[in-house]
Amino acid sequence: KNEVEQSPQNLTAQEGEFITINCSYSVGISALHWLQQHPGGGIVSLFMLSSGKKKHGRLIATINIQEKHSSLHITASHPRDSAVYICAVRFMNYGGSQGNLIFGKGTKLSVKP
Amino acid sequence: DVKVTQSSRYLVKRTGEKVFLECVQDMDHENMFWYRQDPGLGLRLIYFSYDVKMKEKGDIPEGYSVSREKKERFSLILESASTNQTSMYLCASSEGGQSYGYTFGSGTRLTVV
Repeated sequence: KNEVEQSPQNLTAQEGEFITINCSYSVGISALHWLQQHPGGGIVSLFMLSSGKKKHGRLIATINIQEKHSSLHITASHPRDSAVYICAVRFMNYGGSQGNLIFGKGTKLSVKP
Repeated sequence: DVKVTQSSRYLVKRTGEKVFLECVQDMDHENMFWYRQDPGLGLRLIYFSYDVKMKEKGDIPEGYSVSREKKERFSLILESASTNQTSMYLCASSEGGQSYGYTFGSGTRLTVV
C-alpha cells in the first residue's frame, strides 16, 4: 500500500533552534517533494528530491532511498518559518506517467520569538 | 514568474447550487490536478487531466466533475453543492514525465451553507 507518514504532527520551537521534520514512505518512489503552506495560503514547493541532499538558504532536505526516509531541516529557525510542511511522494507504482502525488498529513511548525 | 491562478480565494455557496472553480496556468504544462484539503486528512486528489479534453478520476471524484477545453484551464464543477464539500480546494500543474515539480495555486476556500 502506498503510504506517507510524517512526524511530528505538531512542533513548537524557539527562534534560533534547529528543526527536523521527518517523512517515511512505504514502497519505491520516483520523487519526493517538500511543500510549505502558510496559514490561509496556497502551497509552495520547497524541494523535489530523488536522491541525496538539497539546500536552499536555511532549508536542507535529505533523502535515504534504502531506508525510505526523508528529512527537512531548518537551521536558525525564525517566526516567519511558522507554517505547515508537507511531504508528498510520487510512487513508482502509482499514477503512471502522470505521476500523481500521495501526501503526508503535514507537520504544523510554530516558531516562537 | 510562473503561475497557477485560482479564480476565487473565498467562496460561499448554498446547498444545491452548481459551483464552478476555475484554475489557469501560464506554463504550458500538460498535467493539471484538483485536490481538496481537510483537517486531519491532508490533500486528496479529486481529478486530474494530462491533456486537453482528457480527464481521470482521482481518489475522491464523487460529487465532482471537471472540464479541460483548453490546455491552460482546468475547471472543477460541483453539480449540486453539499455541506460536506465545504473545504479548501487546491489546483496544481506539472509538466509531463516524472522528473518535474509541481506548481500549486493559492487555493479556494469554499463554504457550502
